[in-house]
Amino acid sequence: KAGVTQTPRYLIKTRGQQVTLSCSPISGHRSVSWYQQTPGQGLQFLFEYFSETQRNKGNFPGRFSGRQFSNSRSEMNVSTLELGDSALYLCASSPSGTGVPGELFFGEGSRLTVL
Amino acid sequence: AQTVTQSQPEMSVQEAETVTLSCTYDTSESDYYLFWYKQPPSRQMILVIRQEAYKQQNATENRFSVNFQKAAKSFSLKISDSQLGDAAMYFCAYRSPNFGNEKLTFGTGTRLTIIP
Repeated sequence: KAGVTQTPRYLIKTRGQQVTLSCSPISGHRSVSWYQQTPGQGLQFLFEYFSETQRNKGNFPGRFSGRQFSNSRSEMNVSTLELGDSALYLCASSPSGTGVPGELFFGEGSRLTVL
Repeated sequence: AQTVTQSQPEMSVQEAETVTLSCTYDTSESDYYLFWYKQPPSRQMILVIRQEAYKQQNATENRFSVNFQKAAKSFSLKISDSQLGDAAMYFCAYRSPNFGNEKLTFGTGTRLTIIP
């Protein structure tokens, strides 16, 4: 079974631009979560989608948004990029409702650098 | 809001020895889940071990075991017979018991180095 796939793996943007990151969950997983990982703030929860609906949201500004498609694939978008948005963005999927509660399956991440 | 604290930014251990990573948390909930996740360099984060708060027995997974002290809100990870492949960042995480809440609250992590 294929794991969680995130694209692109690396990208460089400049301040003010926007970026879209993609995540394909493990087949059969309906929940997709996004986390931002930085050296200073650690792992911070962005949001979680389940069956195309945002189920939970972290404490991030409105510039951060996401969506989930009917095939459970998810995208997150960051608009008007700031230097502080440079981070590793991790996507995680889970079956949610079955399996081990809280066991998230992570992708390798998308490393965003904002210049 | 729940918080998770890992007070050891870095730890090192000799190969084949035992090491314990510390984690404390704060919550007003009586039931919850606790986890240790491992993030090797440039690789995916994976679940190492988990503990349900309502279970008094400490969880064990092969060389990995936890010391769960609910009253003290402490959740440490013990790695026995350390191996080179154990080198990684280790994150302690908390999850509320509510169905439909897949949010994990992570600690800041402990970087574990294995000395050959």
